[in-house]
Amino acid sequence: AQSVTQPDIHITVSEGASLELRCNYSYGATPYLFWYVQSPGQGLQLLLKYFSGDTLVQGIKGFEAEFKRSQSSFNLRKPSVHWSDAAEYFCAVRKTGANNLFFGTGTRLTVIP
Amino acid sequence: EAGVVQSPRYKIIEKKQPVAFWCNPISGHNTLYWYLQNLGQGPELLIRYENEEAVDDSQLPKDRFSAERLKGVDSTLKIQPAELGDSAVYLCASSLGTRETQYFGPGTRLLVL
Repeated sequence: AQSVTQPDIHITVSEGASLELRCNYSYGATPYLFWYVQSPGQGLQLLLKYFSGDTLVQGIKGFEAEFKRSQSSFNLRKPSVHWSDAAEYFCAVRKTGANNLFFGTGTRLTVIP
Repeated sequence: EAGVVQSPRYKIIEKKQPVAFWCNPISGHNTLYWYLQNLGQGPELLIRYENEEAVDDSQLPKDRFSAERLKGVDSTLKIQPAELGDSAVYLCASSLGTRETQYFGPGTRLLVL
């Protein structure tokens, strides 16, 4: 069975600081990889996705993620965090050729002034 | 373009009562998903529709949960009777096709007393 691990339950960063949220997956082949953000009371919004090709993926709101096959990781990064980035972030995977998304447990980001 | 619409946004009921959630997907999206999101967890798929056909309902607790998608557009998810453990957020998502990007609604937060 495939699984997604987000080892950090909660991260706090200062506004303007850099951010990295970790995501590891367990699956024999390279799956499709996604990062979603969920603001309080809102649905999930897609930040970026990786299917193949360039392992550094650019997304919306200034986020990027890097796929590292050797580490089975797909970490999300942002060079300078804004207060509006405070939210819950979910990594998700979809097995190649399959239909369903599997989500990690999420990382809650707090941004302090 | 309107996003995925869900109603109600919040619902409080007593245990053993029935409850229903409604979802209107993005226009033209053939695939519709219902997810369950427990507190502190990522979404978990309950059921996936391709047009009006439920193609994956393996995770739907069929003893108390039911769903329908008449005419392949709107969908309703029902719980009867509700249990305390059903308290969660119920998310609806839609996509153009099975392996296309999923767009999420804001969810219905259910509290069972």
